[in-house]
Amino acid sequence: NAGVTQTPKFQVLKTGQSMTLQCAQDMNHEYMSWYRQDPGMGLRLIHYSVGAGITDQGEVPNGYNVSRSTTEDFPLRLLSAAPSQTSVYFCASSKSRDPSPATQYFGPGTRLTVL
Amino acid sequence: AQSVAQPEDQVNVAEGNPLTVKCTYSVSGNPYLFWYVQYPNRGLQFLLKYITGDNLVKGSYGFEAEFNKSQTSFHLKKPSALVSDSALYFCAVRDQTGANNLFFGTGTRLTVIP
Repeated sequence: NAGVTQTPKFQVLKTGQSMTLQCAQDMNHEYMSWYRQDPGMGLRLIHYSVGAGITDQGEVPNGYNVSRSTTEDFPLRLLSAAPSQTSVYFCASSKSRDPSPATQYFGPGTRLTVL
Repeated sequence: AQSVAQPEDQVNVAEGNPLTVKCTYSVSGNPYLFWYVQYPNRGLQFLLKYITGDNLVKGSYGFEAEFNKSQTSFHLKKPSALVSDSALYFCAVRDQTGANNLFFGTGTRLTVIP
């Protein structure tokens, strides 16, 4: 199993540009999520999905869109990048139930800089 | 609302000494608590979790954590630190609304000095 994969590893954007961060998992996990990591703030949840066709907002959803058309993929879209979106982005996945609260597995991250 | 706090941004410990990384939590019901570790330029790796049962939870790489309900704490411990344990450690609590979302602390950077 490749686990959780993310592309690209690094990206530089200009203000106003759009892009999609890709996330895929091969563990047949129902739950997937996106977090951003900023210095001194830990990880904050952007959006999550409990299954194909179902998405919901997390703590910091503004400026980001997601969709979940398949179990494997959960792309994160920035429609009009802003410098405040400079961050490291992590995708994670887990079973919905383990049966206890399931362990989340994280991808390697995408480091995004918006100029 | 649920949250966790990591009161120390930085912890330094000599190699071979015991280490403790502190975490306190705030939840309205039973907490589901996690510890993750992040090595430089890597994603987060799961160390251990507390769901219910024994207050001492054993995890990966020789780490363990002690759940203390009266003190609302979940401190990470290891009896003998290795230089390779130097990393960023995150405590997290699961969303109590039912979704498998995590709320993270701000992280503690552990440095093990040879």
